Amino acid sequence: ETGVTQTPRHLVMGMTNKKSLKCEQHLGHNAMYWYKQSAKKPLELMFVYSLEERVENNSVPSRFSPECPNSSHLFLHLHTLQPEDSALYLCASSQELVSSYNEQFFGPGTRLTVL
Amino acid sequence: AQKITQTQPGMFVQEKEAVTLDCTYDTSDQSYGLFWYKQPSSGEMIFLIYQGSYDEQNATEGRYSLNFQKARKSANLVISASQLGDSAMYFCAMRESYGGATNKLIFGTGTLLAVQP
Repeated sequence: ETGVTQTPRHLVMGMTNKKSLKCEQHLGHNAMYWYKQSAKKPLELMFVYSLEERVENNSVPSRFSPECPNSSHLFLHLHTLQPEDSALYLCASSQELVSSYNEQFFGPGTRLTVL
Repeated sequence: AQKITQTQPGMFVQEKEAVTLDCTYDTSDQSYGLFWYKQPSSGEMIFLIYQGSYDEQNATEGRYSLNFQKARKSANLVISASQLGDSAMYFCAMRESYGGATNKLIFGTGTLLAVQP
């Protein structure tokens, strides 16, 4: 595997379900990110992790719970979601959190549908 | 507040022609970075090109070039010799200043490009 991978690619869940999204980066990066992409809206940054520590939480509802057990893996645990949470969830990583030029590499995303 | 504006929801271009995708930004920072990403229907965001605010020359990467006009706060993407595989959503993004605590990207709403044979 190369780059950033995400599983599952598609997920359909009910509002009472609990599920987890997984992201893995094979680039040796130190920072990882979760984004939400809803239809006709800009990408929204949800969480930022640097060296396994959460450095930003952009007022995301508590029904989304991130976990970063090591610098290569990032999870997004989901519970009691709402239909408006249906979106494409993108994971990204970058070499460092802050530098003069810091490209983010994205995974293919998980298409989530909440029924 | 920092903001990225992409005013073209959709664009058509003939194969082998050049196309310009517009992007304007708003920031009070002196140091910032501008990115363009491509998102095909598969969903993955693919990095295309980067322009730093202090870079004096326009960035180029193969068929992609960035028309950076700092005074007008615009960073348009130019794709030369369009190919059918260029059909995708294109996002302009801006990174906070170098001294910021977080490498945060702010994205525009995107432009859907359709390349016609």
